[in-house]
Amino acid sequence: EAGVTQFPSHSVIEKGQTVTLRCDPISGHDNLYWYRRVMGKEIKFLLHFVKESKQDESGMPNNRFLAERTGGTYSTLKVQPAELEDSGVYFCASSQGRGRLAGYNEQFFGPGTRLTVL
Amino acid sequence: DAKTTQPPSMDCAEGRAANLPCNHSTISGNEYVYWYRQIHSQGPQYIIHGLKNNETNEMASLIITEDRKSSTLILPHATLRDTAVYYCIVGKGAQKLVFGQGTRLTINP
Repeated sequence: EAGVTQFPSHSVIEKGQTVTLRCDPISGHDNLYWYRRVMGKEIKFLLHFVKESKQDESGMPNNRFLAERTGGTYSTLKVQPAELEDSGVYFCASSQGRGRLAGYNEQFFGPGTRLTVL
Repeated sequence: DAKTTQPPSMDCAEGRAANLPCNHSTISGNEYVYWYRQIHSQGPQYIIHGLKNNETNEMASLIITEDRKSSTLILPHATLRDTAVYYCIVGKGAQKLVFGQGTRLTINP
């Protein structure tokens, strides 16, 4: 079974440019999450999709970040325009939908996209 | 903020059991304890989870105290490839994971 995949693995852009990150979750996983780690900091949550709907976007830093999950399959995270502080590693994770009453939920992470904004 | 407290670093000899402690004194009744690890710059890797009872899988064992305020992850026969940052996280349902600083475990030959 294929794991979570992310593209690209690395991206180097200049301040003010636009970058789009892609995540392909494990097939059949309804939940899709984006996290990021900026230099020297902890891994922080960005947002959570259930199928194509945004369930929780409380971690999105500002309106320069736009996430989509059309059709409830893969997701994209676009940063426009990119700023220096956006540099870091962006992780995507997915998990099965176990229903509203399910108590646990193990998330499976992709390898991440390392974004460098110069 | 993370609801767990872990030692920042630990060392263990190769072949010995690595015991990683975690305090989660404010855990609520329906929250699970999860352990993940991050090897170098890879994505975090799920290890194990538990609610009340001790759990074991092919990677590790999880011991949860009766009052559920703390737990221990046990890697029974640590290898050099187990060197990583280990995260203890509490959560419920499909909610986000809140990562703390974790414990940097170094396995020494």
